Amino acid sequence: NAGVTQTPKFRVLKTGQSMTLLCAQDMNHEYMYWYRQDPGMGLRLIHYSVGEGTTAKGEVPDGYNVSRLKKQNFLLGLESAAPSQTSVYFCASSAQTNTEAFFGQGTRLTVV
Amino acid sequence: GQQLNQSPQSMFIQEGEDVSMNCTSSSIFNTWLWYKQDPGEGPVLLIALYKAGELTSNGRLTAQFGITRKDSFLNISASIPSDVGIYFCAGRWNSGNTPLVFGKGTRLSVIA
Repeated sequence: NAGVTQTPKFRVLKTGQSMTLLCAQDMNHEYMYWYRQDPGMGLRLIHYSVGEGTTAKGEVPDGYNVSRLKKQNFLLGLESAAPSQTSVYFCASSAQTNTEAFFGQGTRLTVV
Repeated sequence: GQQLNQSPQSMFIQEGEDVSMNCTSSSIFNTWLWYKQDPGEGPVLLIALYKAGELTSNGRLTAQFGITRKDSFLNISASIPSDVGIYFCAGRWNSGNTPLVFGKGTRLSVIA
């Protein structure tokens, strides 16, 4: 029972590089989310999706893009990485009628 | 956006002591969730609350949905070393497509 799987688990980028974080869920959930976690800041919502083909901005969307081409996948892209994007990124998913969100293991990203 | 105030930010307690933490919101919430995050892991759901006044237990954990719908608390009884971690409250202030909002977390340390 995989649940929510994030790839990769760790990554180091140079400023200006781009990358994509992949989130996959096997629970047939409609909702998917990307959060970032920084010390003392808790979990802040970057973008979310309420279904295949839809995306919406969260609290801190700047510098990130997302795509939900398939229901089970939610991609988070950084077009030009900045040191301020050094963080731990969590993906989560939830069913449409059930508000409980299930989280992945996280991706630790360092931008130097 | 909606904000959750979670307190305390951190706690140091002796093994065997009881613990209490709470969350308050500026708006009425219709869902409260409590998560625990172990080091290097994603948050894991502990308790979900859906009705004002609801009191729910999960082993040594007890959480309540405040009757004003603007607060919730989590109690841990007879703490043990594995209770160490960060506890997050999360809530949804509206039904439908509104994503969860998270508090900034309470970091719990248990001294044996």
